[in-house]
Amino acid sequence: GENVEQHPSTLSVQEGDSAVIKCTYSDSASNYFPWYKQELGKRPQLIIDIRSNVGEKKDQRIAVTLNKTAKHFSLHITETQPEDSAVYFCAARISGAGSYQLTFGKGTKLSVIP
Amino acid sequence: SQTIHQWPATLVQPVGSPLSLECTVEGTSNPNLYWYRQAAGRGLQLLFYSVGIGQISSEVPQNLSASRPQDRQFILSSKKLLLSDSGFYLCAWTGADTQYFGPGTRLTVL
Repeated sequence: GENVEQHPSTLSVQEGDSAVIKCTYSDSASNYFPWYKQELGKRPQLIIDIRSNVGEKKDQRIAVTLNKTAKHFSLHITETQPEDSAVYFCAARISGAGSYQLTFGKGTKLSVIP
Repeated sequence: SQTIHQWPATLVQPVGSPLSLECTVEGTSNPNLYWYRQAAGRGLQLLFYSVGIGQISSEVPQNLSASRPQDRQFILSSKKLLLSDSGFYLCAWTGADTQYFGPGTRLTVL
């Protein structure tokens, strides 16, 4: 089955700096890659996703890049703010009929220092 | 729009007691439904998923079970709780590719 590795497990940045979280996946058939943000005590919330027909996607200060050849994808947060502090999870899935599961990375705890 | 509900929000139970957590989804039909558990400070562990009424797939053998008596209802149960069952239980549903999580139930087993 699919295996998703996520690095680093913890990340501290100064407010205003950029943060990058990287994930690798094992199954070349995976074609859907979401990122979730989980604040303390809350549910994971989808913040951005990318499909394999796209190499990069941006939404304001958040961007995701995908390298299908190398089987890795990354989350980039620019101009970090204290409210970006949370645990971030990447995931991978084979999109389409018969595929039901997201495989999650173990998470990255991001701390933004004011 | 779709909404996912879970209850109770918090629960404190003694070891050996039974458990029933409920999840319902509104605004969609025939969703794929999921139960995850998250131990404190840890990742998301998939426990069960269901693609239809009465169809349950178990990912991790343990003292938990799941049932789907109605299209938009998913129930997580246990006959006898263990200390290790403590955690944050999240129900989720999938619309097309995107997975949405419910608000969660925080379970403490004492």
